Amino acid sequence: DTEVTQTPKHLVMGMTNKKSLKCEQHMGHRAMYWYKQKAKKPPELMFVYSYEKLSINESVPSRFSPECPNSSLLNLHLHALQPEDSALYLCASSPTSQISGANVLTFGAGSRLTVL
Amino acid sequence: GESVGLHLPTLSVQEGDNSIINCAYSNSASDYFIWYKQESGKGPQFIIDIRSNMDKRQGQRVTVLLNKTVKHLSLQIAATQPGDSAVYFCAAHVQGAQKLVFGQGTRLTINP
Repeated sequence: DTEVTQTPKHLVMGMTNKKSLKCEQHMGHRAMYWYKQKAKKPPELMFVYSYEKLSINESVPSRFSPECPNSSLLNLHLHALQPEDSALYLCASSPTSQISGANVLTFGAGSRLTVL
Repeated sequence: GESVGLHLPTLSVQEGDNSIINCAYSNSASDYFIWYKQESGKGPQFIIDIRSNMDKRQGQRVTVLLNKTVKHLSLQIAATQPGDSAVYFCAAHVQGAQKLVFGQGTRLTINP
């Protein structure tokens, strides 16, 4: 299995809802990432988990709450989002967080979030 | 920090021609660079990478060139095919950091 699987593919939520995005990989990778991508823009890093511990938080608002229950799973809990949070949320993984030729990021297809 | 910029937001080429997509970076401590391809409705897909101790690397129909003097890299796609239509991002890694910084992206369109 060489894929990063993200669910759901599409999510529509109201500003008062609580929802979660899920990401799963079975490549034995120990680093997992959340990126946010607005239309016609590049991916922007949100969080990095290394060995199930949060190692980077790019000053993301607390209405986004990441969780890494085990080495294969990464969640992004969403609460009280704003319409401007509507975007494609990409999950990625790599063997370790030391990015190099041996540690290329593999991306999932993303979860497209619309906040009404 | 690092900022990465692409020279052209869009590029249109004839099928069968070669495509060249350019990218500039700002931080001389950037030690590793990757080109990603993103098709509509999909996540970025790795194409080719290059370390800062190299100036050229070739893959299947793709070549990446790195000029550290002017902080510039390019992606060359030979004999462009309809399946090459996508947005192409360059990304740079700064030595010691745990993250990639992505450029703005170039949309490549193939004309029949």
